[in-house]
Amino acid sequence: QKEVEQNSGPLSVPEGAIASLNCTYSDRGSQSFFWYRQYSGKSPELIMFIYSNGDKEDGRFTAQLNKASQYVSLLIRDSQPSDSATYLCAVNGANFGNEKLTFGTGTRLTIIP
Amino acid sequence: GAVVSQHPSWVICKSGTSVKIECRSLDFQATTMFWYRQFPKQSLMLMATSNEGSKATYEQGVEKDKFLINHASLTLSTLTVTSAHPEDSSFYICSARARGGFPGTQYFGPGTRLTVL
Repeated sequence: QKEVEQNSGPLSVPEGAIASLNCTYSDRGSQSFFWYRQYSGKSPELIMFIYSNGDKEDGRFTAQLNKASQYVSLLIRDSQPSDSATYLCAVNGANFGNEKLTFGTGTRLTIIP
Repeated sequence: GAVVSQHPSWVICKSGTSVKIECRSLDFQATTMFWYRQFPKQSLMLMATSNEGSKATYEQGVEKDKFLINHASLTLSTLTVTSAHPEDSSFYICSARARGGFPGTQYFGPGTRLTVL
């Protein structure tokens, strides 16, 4: 079982709709969770992080965390063509002071104009 | 804030030569820096973790004598690919963890595309 799993996609969403990206993780003791956006040929860019159960909103982005079910999701409202990219879910280890992130393979999102 | 730079952005070299890649945190002190490699259409693969003033910790399967890492200061880490071969061609990306930042948060540099002929 992979430590962090994402559907590779591609996920196609019409412009203006809500894009929903999901991620599950295997380490129940994981502390913090990150969403990165990566455009083709570029390096990852941090979108947001979450560490408490529930929702966290930042502009058009909402991260949702459910530790009991071991999943974290990212919602993108009012999707724009510029949101087309690969979205990487990353999980911080359970051990205090463990700085490493474990990345999923990413979900490729395409926003259709 | 939290800007990380890398130099060079791309490099082409002959097989057998060594290549040095610099990673700098421009507006913060980086307690820890990370080096990743990414092959086309694959996810990030962590190569090593480095802390200022100490030896890097390499991931399993990564040759420490081939990929030399030096974390000289709180704002600079370098990766040297020694005796590069075509199979080392990849996208090398560094990231940095800010002192006092939220645990686990990493800020990525723009990456260096290495092509070995």
